[in-house]
Amino acid sequence: AQSVTQPDIHITVSEGASLELRCNYSYGATPYLFWYVQSPGQGLQLLLKYFSGDTLVQGIKGFEAEFKRSQSSFNLRKPSVHWSDAAEYFCAVGFEGMEYGNKLVFGAGTILRVKS
Amino acid sequence: DSGVTQTPKHLITATGQRVTLRCSPRSGDLSVYWYQQSLDQGLQFLIQYYNGEERAKGNILERFSAQQFPDLHSELNLSSLELGDSALYFCASSPTGGSGSSYEQYFGPGTRLTVT
Repeated sequence: AQSVTQPDIHITVSEGASLELRCNYSYGATPYLFWYVQSPGQGLQLLLKYFSGDTLVQGIKGFEAEFKRSQSSFNLRKPSVHWSDAAEYFCAVGFEGMEYGNKLVFGAGTILRVKS
Repeated sequence: DSGVTQTPKHLITATGQRVTLRCSPRSGDLSVYWYQQSLDQGLQFLIQYYNGEERAKGNILERFSAQQFPDLHSELNLSSLELGDSALYFCASSPTGGSGSSYEQYFGPGTRLTVT
């Protein structure tokens, strides 16, 4: 079955340090890939997306993600983290096929803590 | 602001009761999705509607039902409520388009349901 794995439940980084959040998926073809961010008590905000083409995609708030087909991964990165980046991050994958509609399968999320 | 609206923001009700959550999608979006987010289950897809028709179904209980109206707003009905139904309920909408864009979901702020 199609699945999405975010192996890190919590990550703590120092302000100004670089960040990488991991996401792996299980699917036979290339899916549609997304990263969302959720601040406490808020809805999910779309950070970036990958459909096809250039495997390095840029998003909002200085985030980028790289699709690696050979590793079935779509890791999120930021070169310098700000305290306001503290939130929960979700990787989401869309799988083609009528039985799926256009639903997204979400990873369990990674909570990012930023220490000053 | 994603353009997706949800009402009410908060809802407190007793076990056994029935509630209705409302969602208005972004202008022009034909698809509406409902998700439940709880601490123990994470973000769970419930159901998708596309232009008034059910498109995909996820882990939606028989006590729950949804519909999408001709003006494209959607309602999620939860009945015979149990304590375990306490959660954040999100609505999302997506545009109609080729390849991945129809998977690009924009989330509302959510309705926090507390069942006592």
